[in-house]
Amino acid sequence: SAVISQKPSRDICQRGTSLTIQCQVDSQVTMMFWYRQQPGQSLTLIATANQGSEATYESGFVIDKFPISRPNLTFSTLTVSNMSPEDSSIYLCSVAGEAYTEAFFGQGTRLTVV
Amino acid sequence: TQLLEQSPQFLSIQEGENLTVYCNSSSVFSSLQWYRQEPGEGPVLLVTVVTGGEVKKLKRLTFQFGDARKDSSLHITAAQPGDTGLYLCAPPPGNQFYFGTGTSLTVIP
Repeated sequence: SAVISQKPSRDICQRGTSLTIQCQVDSQVTMMFWYRQQPGQSLTLIATANQGSEATYESGFVIDKFPISRPNLTFSTLTVSNMSPEDSSIYLCSVAGEAYTEAFFGQGTRLTVV
Repeated sequence: TQLLEQSPQFLSIQEGENLTVYCNSSSVFSSLQWYRQEPGEGPVLLVTVVTGGEVKKLKRLTFQFGDARKDSSLHITAAQPGDTGLYLCAPPPGNQFYFGTGTSLTVIP
């Protein structure tokens, strides 16, 4: 299994500013995933981050808006840049466990942009 | 991205009732997983179904993988308030990891 610590758990931000979300894993993992989720709805994959390579973004998400860093096998950050109220959402990070048989999640970051 | 459609999207039932949630796709999967997400938490894996036609039971939850491995279902018997949450189907994580459209279940005491 993997234990994921995600920070901050929530934040209220002014429009036009940026927020960086951190995801720390208690073991080395290859794949890390970042999601956005509206309350009560499914998770939408933003990007997949491998250590040592550029993140792969899903359709509708771009690096300029959601830059991701993956400096080592236990840590990643997602930045939400130049925020607008439409960016208000829950952001979650996830890792695939050994043999990719299961995914583990952080508790999420609830972001409100005002 | 292979689309996984779940139905119903929302479900509100009384404690003790039975329910079934469906996960459908036009694609064939080697396996499918079911996760449950409770408010304020990340999703947690419930089960993985691997073989076409497979049925797995987890207490009051019964999971089935379609014969053609394109769909799956989750049946809950005698639902309890603790079953409340968002139920998500997904293929196992790989180079991507995406979820079905989700079913939000509320069990009323």
